[in-house]
Amino acid sequence: DSGVTQTPKHLITATGQRVTLRCSPRSGDLSVYWYQQSLDQGLQFLIQYYNGEERAKGNILERFSAQQFPDLHSELNLSSLELGDSALYFCASSFSYSYSGNTIYFGEGSWLTVV
Amino acid sequence: DQQVKQNSPSLSVQEGRISILNCDYTNSMFDYFLWYKKYPAEGPTFLISISSIKDKNEDGRFTVFLNKSAKHLSLHIVPSQPGDSAVYFCAARDTGNQFYFGTGTSLTVIP
Repeated sequence: DSGVTQTPKHLITATGQRVTLRCSPRSGDLSVYWYQQSLDQGLQFLIQYYNGEERAKGNILERFSAQQFPDLHSELNLSSLELGDSALYFCASSFSYSYSGNTIYFGEGSWLTVV
Repeated sequence: DQQVKQNSPSLSVQEGRISILNCDYTNSMFDYFLWYKKYPAEGPTFLISISSIKDKNEDGRFTVFLNKSAKHLSLHIVPSQPGDSAVYFCAARDTGNQFYFGTGTSLTVIP
């Protein structure tokens, strides 16, 4: 158990809908990352938050947005869903960027199926 | 643009032999490298890491080698066991604490 909690574990929704994925980082971790893994694809970085503020953006679509709340949990919002958005979405957390030897720890992922 | 590349999508090795997984990167500013192991339907789990100031780090059956001049990273597993069968992701961290992942190598250890 990495200590990173993601909900829901599985989600099936229709095209055009909107869903929210939730992540609770490990206790004490200030950074949250979101990654997408599609079939036969590696881990694609979407976005990173540090202590409530956006730090970095990767290949995140405009239909997607995220935020990190004061209690450090994060939500990834996916809207106007398309079939191609079906994927495994991972949240990961780390302490901070100032600690050398920093490592990120992943949750078990949220399986999103768009039908 | 893929800054971390794992050019071998899959690898099969006999139990007891050495498994060598390779990774190449393009950004010379990466200062920390990691390997993650992933079983189906689970999140990636941290396996081993190495700082850019070192060229080798060993942890039990797992050793990571870093060749900075070649921008090449490798993971050696000796001896390989059936339980090592999984997808292995190489990752690199830049100075802004962003992590970049390769596309993974699926390792199968044959009993």
